[in-house]
Amino acid sequence: AQSVTQLGSHVSVSEGALVLLRCNYSSSVPPYLFWYVQYPNQGLQLLLKYTSAATLVKGINGFEAEFKKSETSFHLTKPSAHMSDAAEYFCAVSPVLSQGGKLIFGQGTELSVKP
Amino acid sequence: DTGVSQDPRHKITKRGQNVTFRCDPISEHNRLYWYRQTLGQGPEFLTYFQNEAQLEKSRLLSDRFSAERPKGSFSTLEIQRTEQGDSAMYLCASSLARAPDTQYFGPGTRLTVL
Repeated sequence: AQSVTQLGSHVSVSEGALVLLRCNYSSSVPPYLFWYVQYPNQGLQLLLKYTSAATLVKGINGFEAEFKKSETSFHLTKPSAHMSDAAEYFCAVSPVLSQGGKLIFGQGTELSVKP
Repeated sequence: DTGVSQDPRHKITKRGQNVTFRCDPISEHNRLYWYRQTLGQGPEFLTYFQNEAQLEKSRLLSDRFSAERPKGSFSTLEIQRTEQGDSAMYLCASSLARAPDTQYFGPGTRLTVL
């Protein structure tokens, strides 16, 4: 069965500091991996996705993530945090062989950005 | 492209009542997904449609839940005899069948069962 684990339910950084949100996955087949962001009272917005092409994936708003098969990780980073980055971030996995495309989400990491 | 819309945005009901939510996907998207998100958790998959066919249902979808997409466009999710444990955000997403890895989410319907 596929699953994701997000390490740290809350992460706090100062504005301008590095953002690092951790995600480890478990999958018996090659996975697709995703990061979504959710602002209060809104739906989820796709930040970036890994679909077995380049292992370093660049997304919107300056975020990027690196797929590391040996570590079963897909951590999300941003070099310099902005106040507008404060939100809930979800890592998700979808097995490649699944025709349905259903997403399996982690529990989320709330990012706070201090001025 | 007006995005995925959901109605209502908020619903408060008493235990035992029936509720129905509506989702309008992006117009050209033939796949439609329902997820449930409880407080402090990530979304959980409930079911998905390709056109009007319901192709997969999670075991989370008890007999009290039913979803339809009669004309392959909008979808409804009905919960009968609501329970307090049904309180959650119900999210709808849509995608093209050829690109299920790119799902667009609606704003959700927040259900509170008193």
